[in-house]
Amino acid sequence: DIVMTQTPLSSPVTLGQPASISCRSSQSLVHSDGNTYLNWLQQRPGQPPRLLIYKVSNRFSGVPDRFSGSGAGTDFTLKISRVEAEDVGVYYCMQATHFLYSFGQGTKLEIE
Amino acid sequence: QVQLVQSGAEVRKPGSSVKVSCQASGGSFRSYTVSWVRQAPGQGLEWMGRIIPIVDTTNYAQKFQGRVTITADKSTSTNYMELRGLRSEDTAVYYCVRDAFDIWGQGTMVTVSS
Repeated sequence: DIVMTQTPLSSPVTLGQPASISCRSSQSLVHSDGNTYLNWLQQRPGQPPRLLIYKVSNRFSGVPDRFSGSGAGTDFTLKISRVEAEDVGVYYCMQATHFLYSFGQGTKLEIE
Repeated sequence: QVQLVQSGAEVRKPGSSVKVSCQASGGSFRSYTVSWVRQAPGQGLEWMGRIIPIVDTTNYAQKFQGRVTITADKSTSTNYMELRGLRSEDTAVYYCVRDAFDIWGQGTMVTVSS
């Protein structure tokens, strides 16, 4: 099974400042079809998760452009250029390259 | 806009079963793969399994093999997840989600308690 490891697990940030979350997989996430199925999800308190980024760096419909994803192989990063109050929540990376799918432990983003 | 609407909260006793439904509204899920993900209180996300209705294929996480069954009623665009042999550790919110992870149900709270 693929293990997804996120760092940090908690991230206090100041409004208007950048934030960054790392995600590392135990194996390469490059699929045989050439795609890398690494997604980032946001879960606000009391809500279902929401897709932010798919296939490493593609912003999902309606996601603000302050969110960006990057990386390749086994190392990936989610960046928020300027944190806003509505960004509070837990962020998960997940892989859908290898069966079975797996999630990172989650990173809690809090405002200082 | 397709939405996934799940059935309501359930309370079950240890050893019993629960069946959660997930219906697509505003569109059809006949051709979409649907996964089920659960989240225990205060914990992270855990993938349980998926169904590919177009080829009537299911895949399950090894942890749940033998205890979970995912089915689909294509005529009503409804998916079901049945979990048997419930124990307290199965207390969680259960989500259905389209396999692109772009459309999520609202979640169903299942509480297992004697």
